[in-house]
Amino acid sequence: DTEVTQTPKHLVMGMTNKKSLKCEQHMGHRAMYWYKQKAKKPPELMFVYSYEKLSINESVPSRFSPECPNSSLLNLHLHALQPEDSALYLCASSQTGTSGRREQFFGPGTRLTVL
Amino acid sequence: AQSVTQLGSHVSVSEGALVLLRCNYSSSVPPYLFWYVQYPNQGLQLLLKYTSAATLVKGINGFEAEFKKSETSFHLTKPSAHMSDAAEYFCAVSDPTTSYDKVIFGPGTSLSVIP
Repeated sequence: DTEVTQTPKHLVMGMTNKKSLKCEQHMGHRAMYWYKQKAKKPPELMFVYSYEKLSINESVPSRFSPECPNSSLLNLHLHALQPEDSALYLCASSQTGTSGRREQFFGPGTRLTVL
Repeated sequence: AQSVTQLGSHVSVSEGALVLLRCNYSSSVPPYLFWYVQYPNQGLQLLLKYTSAATLVKGINGFEAEFKKSETSFHLTKPSAHMSDAAEYFCAVSDPTTSYDKVIFGPGTSLSVIP
């Protein structure tokens, strides 16, 4: 299984709502990532988890809260978002170590609209 | 610090013509290099990767890329464009000395294929 799944596919939320994005992989990868992608732009790294521990937080506002319950799951909790947070949110996973097999596998993304 | 540039934010080719998408990188260590493709409203899919083995790398869908250290380049080519190749292409670089991937993406090149 070389697939990363993300739910939901689309999400519309108001600025006072609380919602969560979910990501799952069963490739045994121990690094997982959240990216934000605006239209016609490259993905911007938000968070990296390595062995279920938060390794990188790219100065993301606290209204985004990541969680890694186990090695297969990654959540992104959303609260009090702003309209400018509307974007495609991508999850990815990869092997760790320096073995050379470093490519990231991406999920299809969640299209988030904040009203 | 690592960085990636992609010459040409938009490239247009005729169906059956050569595809050439340019990528130049800067890195303080020999890098890992990747090309990803993104179709509309989808996640990113790995086309190919360079990890210090063969300098000519073959990928999926007939694409290949050549690593040229002297030119710090990793251009992507395909001999004959197909309509289904129309998509956004991202070149990316990562530092192999870290235990996980912090991938730096280039700005992307949008490929159009004219029938």
